[in-house]
Amino acid sequence: DADVTQTPRNRITKTGKRIMLECSQTKGHDRMYWYRQDPGLGLRLIYYSFDVKDINKGEISDGYSVSRQAQAKFSLSLESAIPNQTALYFCATSDLGSVPYNEQFFGPGTRLTVL
Amino acid sequence: QKEVEQNSGPLSVPEGAIASLNCTYSDRGSQSFFWYRQYSGKSPELIMFIYSNGDKEDGRFTAQLNKASQYVSLLIRDSQPSDSATYLCAVNTGNQFYFGTGTSLTVIP
Repeated sequence: DADVTQTPRNRITKTGKRIMLECSQTKGHDRMYWYRQDPGLGLRLIYYSFDVKDINKGEISDGYSVSRQAQAKFSLSLESAIPNQTALYFCATSDLGSVPYNEQFFGPGTRLTVL
Repeated sequence: QKEVEQNSGPLSVPEGAIASLNCTYSDRGSQSFFWYRQYSGKSPELIMFIYSNGDKEDGRFTAQLNKASQYVSLLIRDSQPSDSATYLCAVNTGNQFYFGTGTSLTVIP
């Protein structure tokens, strides 16, 4: 079974629609992250959370919001989707306790297309 | 200046050769360094991590770290066609990870 799961895996939507991407993990990690990946731009951090009560903006948070419903669940919302939010979205987790070499574990990704 | 910089490539090497991938970072307080491999359309997977100056070897892979020069590299010996992928360098500054844009590697049979 996958340790980090994302739903949906693919989504096509229209401009102006509200979209939620969900991430669940069974690794027991405290830290969760949302990234988007665009060709030539690498992985860019949208939001991250170090525990249920902690939410932090990343490099490109405008147009996005998040909710940490539980230690194992972290959702990303696009309140009003626009075409330049078309990208591959990854959820990732890491373990607070293994600094300094606490790697990030990635989910399979959600490919989002906004028409 | 970006936090992490990589040569985007593409880098092409013949099968059996050594592939050398390079990365520089800007934050001198960075604590740990990672190399991820990513196949097209797939999620990144960890290949190596390093946090002390010097070399770290794991099978065909060797990571090298020089904190004074703020430089990290990955050597792939006896390159195989299955090594063809994009390689992402990542840096952990304590609270955040920063990723480079990746280097595309093609191993030619």
